[in-house]
Amino acid sequence: GAGVSQSPSNKVTEKGKDVELRCDPISGHTALYWYRQRLGQGLEFLIYFQGNSAPDKSGLPSDRFSAERTGESVSTLTIQRTQQEDSAVYLCASSWGTGLAGELFFGPGTRLTVL
Amino acid sequence: ILNVEQSPQSLHVQEGDSTNFTCSFPSSNFYALHWYRWETAKSPEALFVMTLNGDEKKKGRISATLNTKEGYSYLYIKGSQPEDSATYLCALLTGNQFYFGTGTSLTVIP
Repeated sequence: GAGVSQSPSNKVTEKGKDVELRCDPISGHTALYWYRQRLGQGLEFLIYFQGNSAPDKSGLPSDRFSAERTGESVSTLTIQRTQQEDSAVYLCASSWGTGLAGELFFGPGTRLTVL
Repeated sequence: ILNVEQSPQSLHVQEGDSTNFTCSFPSSNFYALHWYRWETAKSPEALFVMTLNGDEKKKGRISATLNTKEGYSYLYIKGSQPEDSATYLCALLTGNQFYFGTGTSLTVIP
């Protein structure tokens, strides 16, 4: 079946512009995560959605970052007034849910470059 | 924030060599430990999900062990092949969050 997809695959933007990144999880996966990896660093948790529960936004680095998810499907991550330090690969992952078998299925990522 | 450490940071081995690397994590609040392989230009893929102290998992030439009491997991690759070249990530699941290590970058030289 189809895996996790993300769009765009690459995004180059100017400092100060807003960007929107999209994630289509695997159908039926209730859990959805956003991570980012900045150059030379590990995967950094941003936000977690589980079904219809309130999202865990504890990893969002500033109020310029927000994310939404429509039910158990598509999610969008929005970064307002982008800064150069926002440059990173943004990864989305979905799973059946947290639990002992909840391995993450990752999308291919969006490489964001802020000039 | 939980500190998950991986060592070494990078590793170069000759084809046919066996190798291993380490993931260390705080042993409290343990729920599961995941290993992922991340090849260049691809998405990270799950290798193992480990939950019980003493767990040993194997997939082909790759295996992993888990010690939750002392807070570490080892990943072993037997007879490394060039296609094993990738970054290997471990992730500690506690609550509903995954805490990833920074990875071990493995390069297998033909």
